Amino acid sequence: DAGVTQSPTHLIKTRGQHVTLRCSPISGHKSVSWYQQVLGQGPQFIFQYYEKEERGRGNFPDRFSARQFPNYSSELNVNALLLGDSALYLCASSPGQGYGYTFGSGTRLTVV
Amino acid sequence: QKEVEQDPGPLSVPEGAIVSLNCTYSNSAFQYFMWYRQYSRKGPELLMYTYSSGNKEDGRFTAQVDKSSKYISLFIRDSQPSDSATYLCAMSAGEAASKLTFGTGTRLQVTL
Repeated sequence: DAGVTQSPTHLIKTRGQHVTLRCSPISGHKSVSWYQQVLGQGPQFIFQYYEKEERGRGNFPDRFSARQFPNYSSELNVNALLLGDSALYLCASSPGQGYGYTFGSGTRLTVV
Repeated sequence: QKEVEQDPGPLSVPEGAIVSLNCTYSNSAFQYFMWYRQYSRKGPELLMYTYSSGNKEDGRFTAQVDKSSKYISLFIRDSQPSDSATYLCAMSAGEAASKLTFGTGTRLQVTL
């Protein structure tokens, strides 16, 4: 059974550019969340979607946005990239209440 | 003050030792407690998931939650070099498939 898949695995962008990260959850999982992990830190919550509705948003600027599609896959968009946006972006999925999250391997974004 | 505190280590132990990893937290609303293992440049892997207080055992791993002290632990018996990784504690206040708050992670090195 395929796990959570994220694309691309690595990405280099220039300051001011826009980036779109993609995530495919485990089949049957309706909840998708996004996390940012800076080197040496634990993941920080960005967004949660359940059944295509936003259920939570972390303390990130409006440059960050996301959506969930009818097939439960998800996109994370970041506009006007800053050097500080360089991080590992993790997507996680869950069947819903009563279960933990399964994480993908992440997209490593470098902003230069 | 961070909601979840975790000693970043590194923690170095010989093969076969019992490892104790700990987190403290300040938010009394946390009800779901998880431990994740993260290898270098990979996404976190769910090891243990516990609801409320008590103990849970799975193979060489035992998770303990003491909500009265706001303290959780993960014990690893008969540690192996393959256990060398960063261990992250994570917690949530609502249903399990909701925002996770992570510790910074403890880096563990098991030596031969």
